[in-house]
Amino acid sequence: DAMVIQNPRYQVTQFGKPVTLSCSQTLNHNVMYWYQQKSSQAPKLLFHYYDKDFNNEADTPDNFQSRRPNTSFCFLDIRSPGLGDAAMYLCATSRDQGGVETQYFGPGTRLLVL
Amino acid sequence: SQKIEQNSEALNIQEGKTATLTCNYTNYSPAYLQWYRQDPGRGPVFLLLIRENEKEKRKERLKVTFDTTLKQSLFHITASQPADSATYLCALTSGTYKYIFGTGTRLKVLA
Repeated sequence: DAMVIQNPRYQVTQFGKPVTLSCSQTLNHNVMYWYQQKSSQAPKLLFHYYDKDFNNEADTPDNFQSRRPNTSFCFLDIRSPGLGDAAMYLCATSRDQGGVETQYFGPGTRLLVL
Repeated sequence: SQKIEQNSEALNIQEGKTATLTCNYTNYSPAYLQWYRQDPGRGPVFLLLIRENEKEKRKERLKVTFDTTLKQSLFHITASQPADSATYLCALTSGTYKYIFGTGTRLKVLA
């Protein structure tokens, strides 16, 4: 089945130690997104890629970076995780349909910062 | 600033009844609105999309209304079942790949 895969499902890191979360998709969608969702809060868009074009949200901290080496893969790098970065990180994809897109989400990676 | 409000308190209803969830927004003119279902520890799953020029959309037991004058969407689940228990999120976009999600309403359907 076509899907969005996130690895790992749970990630534990130390305060200040760089961490990378990965996302892959078999849907061949050209748009990929990263969201941060804290407990009982709304998913918050961090950035998205339209093909290879990177689009950062204005309020996304510089501590968060992303890479998309090809259509299928996208990575979220947290350069120096703080305790406040502990959250669920959701990857999503969509196919450009002229402004009417449905997002397909992965299962998420829960990040714990010690 | 743009704001989306969903009832943060859980909604408990009896099996077989119709559940109605509300999404209100301010300082925004969305091109379309989407509803997603999210189960604990999982990613959201798309349910329905409605455009700004549409009043109502239906899919099986689901119905969404969109009132751009009131800046409100209502999401209905008819003949609710315990399996419908989840958190339901609304999301707005102006069509530029920027989505704003609400915090969601937790629905519990009692058998």
